[in-house]
Amino acid sequence: QKEVEQNSGPLSVPEGAIASLNCTYSDRGSQSFFWYRQYSGKSPELIMFIYSNGDKEDGRFTAQLNKASQYVSLLIRDSQPSDSATYLCAVRKLSFGAGTTVTVRA
Amino acid sequence: DTAVSQTPKYLVTQMGNDKSIKCEQNLGHDTMYWYKQDSKKFLKIMFSYNNKELIINETVPNRFSPKSPDKAHLNLHINSLELGDSAVYFCASSPQDRVDGNTIYFGEGSWLTVV
Repeated sequence: QKEVEQNSGPLSVPEGAIASLNCTYSDRGSQSFFWYRQYSGKSPELIMFIYSNGDKEDGRFTAQLNKASQYVSLLIRDSQPSDSATYLCAVRKLSFGAGTTVTVRA
Repeated sequence: DTAVSQTPKYLVTQMGNDKSIKCEQNLGHDTMYWYKQDSKKFLKIMFSYNNKELIINETVPNRFSPKSPDKAHLNLHINSLELGDSAVYFCASSPQDRVDGNTIYFGEGSWLTVV
């Protein structure tokens, strides 16, 4: 089992819709979780981190963490074409998922 | 000024050659990393250094040798390059050495192509 697994995608959503990305992890002792966005040909950039169970909102992004079920998700509300990218889930700083590519259709 | 800078950005070389990628961070961070991202976008930790000391060394061929002359620099030297080494190599830094904790800041990546 991989330490971090993401829904493989690719995910295509119309502009203005909600994009939902999911990630599960295997190490129950993990404490910190990150979502990175990576545009094609660029480096990953942090968009959200979450440490506590529940929801954390930042603008159009909401991260959700459920430690009992060992999953973390990212919701992108009112999706924009500029949100089209690959989203990487990371557990601690060491373990990244394979990424989910999101395309927002205008 | 770029926070984490790495050179070269693009590198095309032949199999069997030895090459180095340099990385410098001006953020004052204690910890630096090398990650490898393959053609399927899978990002994998290779090494981590804290204050010039190696703290993480994942299963990486010993042809890869990191060197940290000071805490602001972490260079990656690769001997006897193979086709499978073709990837994007990201340098990164973070302000803590704990596995759990603060986020990391990536450099722009070095695109290595072995032919």
